[in-house]
Parts: sequence; structure tokens; C-alpha cells
Amino acid sequence: DAKTTQPTSMDCAEGRAANLPCNHSTISGNEYVYWYRQIHSQGPQYIIHGLKNNETNEMASLIITEDRKSSTLILPHATLRDTAVYYCIVRSQKFYFGSGTKLNVKP
Amino acid sequence: GAGVSQSPSNKVTEKGKDVELRCDPISGHTALYWYRQSLGQGLEFLIYFQGNSAPDKSGLPSDRFSAERTGGSVSTLTIQRTQQEDSAVYLCASSLAPGYNEQFFGPGTRLTVL
Repeated sequence: DAKTTQPTSMDCAEGRAANLPCNHSTISGNEYVYWYRQIHSQGPQYIIHGLKNNETNEMASLIITEDRKSSTLILPHATLRDTAVYYCIVRSQKFYFGSGTKLNVKP
Repeated sequence: GAGVSQSPSNKVTEKGKDVELRCDPISGHTALYWYRQSLGQGLEFLIYFQGNSAPDKSGLPSDRFSAERTGGSVSTLTIQRTQQEDSAVYLCASSLAPGYNEQFFGPGTRLTVL
């Protein structure tokens, strides 16, 4: 499995877009990019995943660069309830969660 | 229930005792994962069950840790001769099929070894 690099923490104002970057320069051709988040004291929650194309669902958008070496998770209108640790994972078979990005949404 | 359940929610034990943690995956999910999360840390993969195949035990930290999955459903994670460094939240997840499906996580079991 490829390794990922994420900033330790980020701040975002409530109502603004939160853009969370992830580097995965060693990703292989068949590895998907997954994003999960973990709200304090809860189990991780799936957000979105993609392979090559950009993806959007009711929670977020995922932008993957053309060379697939990095991606950005976009929360279009962050709310206080989006405060959580966000994990970017690339996998072929198993999940290896790093330390993630602690997103602090501030009023 | 519709989600993954784990029991107990909290477990306090004395150093050297054995503990068993239980996971009930979502019905019909063939893949089951165990992770542990120490305070303030990310998730550490432990073991992965995929249908009837031999489990992937590559993440188990020592031979004191073992897990089984009976009948392709319920799973038990056993820690023998617990140590203080085993204190963590143990999370179970299941997915509909192995490979590229999202994982659904349970609430976890918080283990404290005194």
C-alpha cells in the first residue's frame, strides 16, 4: 500500500469551503483513494473514494490530480459538526490509516 | 441492528489477564477488519478476514493477540496476558466485499489495562 502525507491540522471558518490536501506520490495504478473522518470518540466514517476521475457526493467532493500523486477533499460549506480528523488512505487490499488532518471548524 | 456492534463498550482489566472483545458485523458483509487506536493516534491495522480465506494477520503486534471469525459472521479478538501498552480503543469494521468497498465501523471497545 502507498503511503500518504497530510497536514497535521487545519482551521476553517464556518460556512466556508474546507480544502484538505493529501499527497500519495507512490500510488500504484490500481489503488483507489479513500477518505474517512473520525469525530471525537466515534468510529471512522466513510466519506468518498475515487480512482482517477473527480467524484462528488452529498458529503464532499474529491479532486484527484491527473498524475494521481495527490488529491484534495473539499467540504463545500463547513459546519461546526465537520470538526474531525480526516484520513486519506490509498489501498489495494488493506487500509493503513495515518494520523490524518485535524480539521477545526470555527464559528 | 443495522450497524456494526461491539462488546463490551468498555473493559478494565488487570495486567496479565486475558480479554476477549466481540464484533458483530453487518449481516451479509463478508470482510471484517480489526484495528486499534491508542490515545491521540491514528488507526493501526491488526487483522483482516475475507470470507472463507485464511485471515491476514500481518498487523497483529505479538503472539499474545489472536482473532477468529466463526461461521463467517461474529468475530472475537483475544488478547492474552494483557500489558499496559495494550490499552487502546479496539475498532471493528466490516464491508460488503473485500477490495474496494467502504468499511462500516463499530463504536469500538475501550480497553484499559491497569
